[in-house]
Amino acid sequence: SQTIHQWPATLVQPVGSPLSLECTVEGTSNPNLYWYRQAAGRGLQLLFYSVGIGQISSEVPQNLSASRPQDRQFILSSKKLLLSDSGFYLCAWSTGPYEQYFGPGTRLTVT
Amino acid sequence: GQSLEQPSEVTAVEGAIVQINCTYQTSGFYGLSWYQQHDGGAPTFLSYNALDGLEETGRFSSFLSRSDSYGYLLLQELQMKDSASYFCAVSDSNYQLIWGAGTKLIIKP
Repeated sequence: SQTIHQWPATLVQPVGSPLSLECTVEGTSNPNLYWYRQAAGRGLQLLFYSVGIGQISSEVPQNLSASRPQDRQFILSSKKLLLSDSGFYLCAWSTGPYEQYFGPGTRLTVT
Repeated sequence: GQSLEQPSEVTAVEGAIVQINCTYQTSGFYGLSWYQQHDGGAPTFLSYNALDGLEETGRFSSFLSRSDSYGYLLLQELQMKDSASYFCAVSDSNYQLIWGAGTKLIIKP
């Protein structure tokens, strides 16, 4: 069966510090991978998606970046965090157009 | 632009039936999906409709009318554990989901 891992679960970082969130998927090959951000009480904002190794599409211009160094690994990074980067970060995978499967999420607070 | 509209909050009584509506306006359309998210948790997939009509999965059913750009999620025999936020999402031609803002379902005993 497929599983998706995401860490850390919570993170408190000062403004201007770097960020690295990692997501790995097991039990499937060549999945589409996604990074979302969700503000409290709001919907999901797509940040990046990837259809293969080294292929990253950005949906929202910002100080975040993503990389896919391996087929089932997706990394979200920032060189300098802003207060507005606080939120709930979710990684997801899919192999079809309708169903996406989410990791447990990382709750990031930038102070 | 692309948008999905769903009510921000719906209240219902335990054991009752509730319907959560979703209207959409998108440039591409492959299907309408529904997700459930409990407070503090990640969204989980519930159902999808690619064609017009009703799809039933246990206590949950989902309906789509492509001509009306409209769908709904129907929850029957409501249980307290169904208290959550429910999101509709449209699949576009790039295997991306365009998400609604979510409907918070409050269930009273």
